[in-house]
Amino acid sequence: GAGVSQSPSNKVTEKGKDVELRCDPISGHTALYWYRQSLGQGLEFLIYFQGNSAPDKSGLPSDRFSAERTGGSVSTLTIQRTQQEDSAVYLCASSSTLADYNEQFFGPGTRLTVL
Amino acid sequence: AQSVSQHNHHVILSEAASLELGCNYSYGGTVNLFWYVQYPGQHLQLLLKYFSGDPLVKGIKGFEAEFIKSKFSFNLRKPSVQWSDTAEYFCAVNAGGNQGGKLIFGQGTELSVKP
Repeated sequence: GAGVSQSPSNKVTEKGKDVELRCDPISGHTALYWYRQSLGQGLEFLIYFQGNSAPDKSGLPSDRFSAERTGGSVSTLTIQRTQQEDSAVYLCASSSTLADYNEQFFGPGTRLTVL
Repeated sequence: AQSVSQHNHHVILSEAASLELGCNYSYGGTVNLFWYVQYPGQHLQLLLKYFSGDPLVKGIKGFEAEFIKSKFSFNLRKPSVQWSDTAEYFCAVNAGGNQGGKLIFGQGTELSVKP
């Protein structure tokens, strides 16, 4: 596609449920990033992928969060046993390579609300 | 740990006024610096970036930023703002080297331009 796409655009769930958020990066982009945007915390890095491997998971807030990437393309961020503090906009970005200076192209985000 | 500080949370200007948004980072090594913008209802998009060379960089829509290494700063400027510049602006840093390109963002500055 022309840009990074994410689904769903909005997700409302009940506390304790599991959720899956999907990211489709720009075709051919090898690097993929997940960030979280929340009130009071700003934009936080969660995890990045180079191909299908995740060299840096340092931003994942807890072991309830996990992510995978398959075929060097689509990525899924899974949050288990959701808590109210997980409510945020989850952003995905991709770039053509892992080079530090490369522009990251962001998707529209998934707004997660945990009731 | 790396951090990015944006001094202004919310800036209100009239059209044609000059703009300067402050950004300071804490990291002693090589850095790559970015300004991203998020217009209302739109994705984050890159305004400009610095990774080497001339410390005065020019971006889209008449924006520029100056990297001052001794001050750990990367302030964003525009000589004359327009109503369409109303948006949220994020400064971001990537520490050079084997960091995988992950971005550390500032808290963001909301700019409101009055017509």
